[in-house]
Amino acid sequence: DAGITQSPRHKVTETGTPVTLRCHQTENHRYMYWYRQDPGHGLRLIHYSYGVKDTDKGEVSDGYSVSRSKTEDFLLTLESATSSQTSVYFCAISDGTSANYGYTFGSGTRLTVV
Amino acid sequence: SQKIEQNSEALNIQEGKTATLTCNYTNYSPAYLQWYRQDPGRGPVFLLLIRENEKEKRKERLKVTFDTTLKQSLFHITASQPADSATYLCALVNSGNTPLVFGKGTRLSVIA
Repeated sequence: DAGITQSPRHKVTETGTPVTLRCHQTENHRYMYWYRQDPGHGLRLIHYSYGVKDTDKGEVSDGYSVSRSKTEDFLLTLESATSSQTSVYFCAISDGTSANYGYTFGSGTRLTVV
Repeated sequence: SQKIEQNSEALNIQEGKTATLTCNYTNYSPAYLQWYRQDPGRGPVFLLLIRENEKEKRKERLKVTFDTTLKQSLFHITASQPADSATYLCALVNSGNTPLVFGKGTRLSVIA
């Protein structure tokens, strides 16, 4: 999707290993979000950022950490991957608060933990 | 508990008809609500945003209503086409500057 890229697109990893997913934007948007999408659950918020070095937890943050050292990059780290973290991960950006702006989503990262 | 319910997992309609998708919420007091479209293997795409003081919003063949008394939003696609087949997600802003909370979506199939 224009202005936002996620990497990698697919990853298979072993239980217990750390994994980092990257979200990169070229839109200079202030807000960035990480969601996971699972059958039967829909999109659930993991963490979000409202500026460089400003992050907060979402609904399903256990086992995940994030960092945002530059406006354009938002990293999601699974500290010790578990099979329950097998999912599709989406990054999203917005130019302002959810009250006034829609989100632009990346294409997603499909993560399989074996 | 807080819930966002979209009327059904799947909806099939004939081409040319109006599709109506429902989003009901419980124990939220959203001031804003958004609708997204998601195609298989892709990220959601923003369609419309509606505020609590707006009863209705339109964009081309799309129309969204927001009834805070009924705690419901309706999403209409008029003159539906097979290309409208996708999953449609509603999302609401619970309060202030908080991020969007999403429903599970309704998969729409428009049959030619």
